[in-house]
Amino acid sequence: QSALTQPASVSGSPGQSITISCTGTNSDVGGSNYVSWYQHHPGRAPKLMIYEVSNRPSGVPDRFSGSKSGNTASLTISGLQAEDEADYYCSSYTSNRVFGGGTKLTVL
Amino acid sequence: EVQLVESGGGLVQPGGSLRLSCVASGFTFSSYAMNWVRQAPGKGLEWVSYISGSSRSIYYADSVKGRFTISRDNAKNSVSLQMNSLRDEDTAVYYCARDNWNKFDYWGQGTLVTVSS
Repeated sequence: QSALTQPASVSGSPGQSITISCTGTNSDVGGSNYVSWYQHHPGRAPKLMIYEVSNRPSGVPDRFSGSKSGNTASLTISGLQAEDEADYYCSSYTSNRVFGGGTKLTVL
Repeated sequence: EVQLVESGGGLVQPGGSLRLSCVASGFTFSSYAMNWVRQAPGKGLEWVSYISGSSRSIYYADSVKGRFTISRDNAKNSVSLQMNSLRDEDTAVYYCARDNWNKFDYWGQGTLVTVSS
């Protein structure tokens, strides 16, 4: 049950776009459409942002989008806003559930 | 409104036991699988355990297998995590999360477990 690989940190200025990658294997990301992304502000409950690779739950701004190519999934946030500063985690499911190591997004 | 409220965290010595509970409201509890997910200090999220709506399917992370037991009481809309033989590395905030077709769509606020002598 190895964690998926994410960059430790990314940063961007307000209004810019950033992309966070999530790399796994054929046994998880590559072999599943059940890839999801979570936003976590410290001290608060994590929040589902993207599910099944590219779907947004109601209430999540369309600035957030997801995609996948091979064993790598990606979360793109366009039009960065200050409130987007948080930790982001990917997750995948095949035989079981696994998270990425997390990426700290800093809005400069 | 979906709500998940965890309780039962606290300070426990290594080798000790603790039982966490999560009470759910705002949805038909028995129709959903539930999970426990934890976050150790300075670390990322780690999936801990899963239980299906009927309790027929139960899974654990390798790191807790044989020490933790997940269970649920659909009459009381609650899911529990019995944690035995606790280790320093089990120190974390523990979240319960609803499983909706392999996505964690609702989370509780978490309860802190500290394992220390």
